[in-house]
Amino acid sequence: AQTVTQSQPEMSVQEAETVTLSCTYDTSESNYYLFWYKQPPSRQMILVIRQEAYKQQNATENRFSVNFQKAAKSFSLKISDSQLGDTAMYFCAFMKSSGDKLTFGTGTRLAVRP
Amino acid sequence: KAGVTQTPRYLIKTRGQQVTLSCSPISGHRSVSWYQQTPGQGLQFLFEYFSETQRNKGNFPGRFSGRQFSNSRSEMNVSTLELGDSALYLCASTSGGAPYEQYFGPGTRLTVT
Repeated sequence: AQTVTQSQPEMSVQEAETVTLSCTYDTSESNYYLFWYKQPPSRQMILVIRQEAYKQQNATENRFSVNFQKAAKSFSLKISDSQLGDTAMYFCAFMKSSGDKLTFGTGTRLAVRP
Repeated sequence: KAGVTQTPRYLIKTRGQQVTLSCSPISGHRSVSWYQQTPGQGLQFLFEYFSETQRNKGNFPGRFSGRQFSNSRSEMNVSTLELGDSALYLCASTSGGAPYEQYFGPGTRLTVT
């Protein structure tokens, strides 16, 4: 079974600064997908970024980028130029390449300070 | 494209009752997954339907069931409600093929008293 660990329950960052959220996972699969989701106080889960395990290049979406270390089973999310609207719970999630369920971490609550 | 919609958004039920939640996926998406979110257990997978067939199932008791219709809309039913069933129920849709990005609805907040 797959497990996803987010060791930072809460983090805080000043507006316009950069913050990195950590995620590690455990799997015996060789090919899989990793995701970061954002859940603002409004509750709607929003897909932030996706990484395919077979791709060595780290995914980037505007201010969001990942550092994917397959051998270390690490998948961190970097948010650059933090904005107040980035305040949310962030979940790291794993999915097998067959399109199985999402396995989520426990989440990191990020607060962006003005 | 319209996003994933879930109805109702809020629900209050009494122990022992049953409840049905509805999810309409993004147009063209054939797969619908359901997740339960609670403060104690986090996000847990309930089941996934693809083309009206249950393709995957999580570790929940048989009181939790679902179905999918020919238009890909899905319903989830919980019978004999228990206090512990109080949760946010999230529905997610995907095309059913790679890269399997799941898009979530706003959720249904179920409170069991």
